[in-house]
Amino acid sequence: GAVVSQHPSWVICKSGTSVKIECRSLDFQATTMFWYRQFPKQSLMLMATSNEGSKATYEQGVEKDKFLINHASLTLSTLTVTSAHPEDSSFYICSADPRTGANYNEQFFGPGTRLTVL
Amino acid sequence: KQEVTQIPAALSVPEGENLVLNCSFTDSAIYNLQWFRQDPGKGLTSLLLIQSSQREQTSGRLNASLDKSSGRSTLYIAASQPGDSATYLCATRGFQKLVFGTGTRLLVSP
Repeated sequence: GAVVSQHPSWVICKSGTSVKIECRSLDFQATTMFWYRQFPKQSLMLMATSNEGSKATYEQGVEKDKFLINHASLTLSTLTVTSAHPEDSSFYICSADPRTGANYNEQFFGPGTRLTVL
Repeated sequence: KQEVTQIPAALSVPEGENLVLNCSFTDSAIYNLQWFRQDPGKGLTSLLLIQSSQREQTSGRLNASLDKSSGRSTLYIAASQPGDSATYLCATRGFQKLVFGTGTRLLVSP
């Protein structure tokens, strides 16, 4: 149980285009999902917290107009990188909190999406 | 603001050695601490999760300890194998958020 999927697993796009990444909890409902970014040889950095039915909370320094997050259901959150540029090339990973939302919960991670912007 | 540091940043050992990875954090007000493994170009594999009320957790050859008061956790790997080669990340959980450490890149040579 507790499986989180991401789609696509990798994507290559031209500069200026928008890319949508999906994060799904397959066998549980997630009140809260998180989006992380990881640059080569660096650790994961939290970008935003996504709560079902409400606006996402972005970390300091993350442009909310560039990284659009939608959490329309208890099993799906999407991250759209708008007008992508080469500096947005990174590994994007989502995680999901089970519906109880207790702080001692274990978060479950997706396999990640490799974005390359040419 | 929570800061999580892992030492060493990289470690190379021969197969069969027992080893210890260290994780330190600045804010002891955490709900739990989790250890992950990440293979190159891949996502995270959860290894062990220690709740704030616990002192240690064990899974197979892995043992993780937590000392909240001193802001430390260790991951002990017994009888290391080449398949253990990966980057190991620790992460502390505050209110909702996980803060990840800087990672330790482990190479176990045959």
